[in-house]
Amino acid sequence: RKEVEQDPGPFNVPEGATVAFNCTYSNSASQSFFWYRQDCRKEPKLLMSVYSSGNEDGRFTAQLNRASQYISLLIRDSKLSDSATYLCAPGGGADGLTFGKGTHLIIQP
Amino acid sequence: GAVVSQHPSWVICKSGTSVKIECRSLDFQATTMFWYRQFPKQSLMLMATSNEGSKATYEQGVEKDKFLINHASLTLSTLTVTSAHPEDSSFYICSARDARYYGYTFGSGTRLTVV
Repeated sequence: RKEVEQDPGPFNVPEGATVAFNCTYSNSASQSFFWYRQDCRKEPKLLMSVYSSGNEDGRFTAQLNRASQYISLLIRDSKLSDSATYLCAPGGGADGLTFGKGTHLIIQP
Repeated sequence: GAVVSQHPSWVICKSGTSVKIECRSLDFQATTMFWYRQFPKQSLMLMATSNEGSKATYEQGVEKDKFLINHASLTLSTLTVTSAHPEDSSFYICSARDARYYGYTFGSGTRLTVV
């Protein structure tokens, strides 16, 4: 099993819709989890961090399921500007992050 | 929030030459910085962990003699790609963690093209 797995997509979603995607991880010892968004040819930017069961920030909700070892990201009322690649990364502490390959999201007008 | 500055943004060099990439934490001190590499349509892969005042820790499969890391101060880490070859062409990104915030902050990345 790969360390971090994500559905690469692309997910083509109409503007205003709700979209969700999952990320599974293999390291059961992971304590912190991050969702980053990466625009084409740019650096990743932190979207949300998850330490307990979940986190919500405006239109974005991240949920953590430790038993099944996955985290999810839900985007409500999607905007054109949400089009990007979303990377999940379990990690924290003194170690660098292990990233999934990312899920490519395209919001269509 | 934390700011990490990375230079240059892009570089084109001839095969066989060396290229140095700088990563600076602008408003915080970073005893540890991380270097990643990303090939087109691939994930970011951790190359090495840069430790201030000591040797870097390299991930399996990363040649330490080819990718020289120096972390001489609490705000600066450098990655030197020695004797670069076309297969080294990639997007190199550094990151660091500011203890005041959650998560890791990334530099803007360096796109290296070796011709």
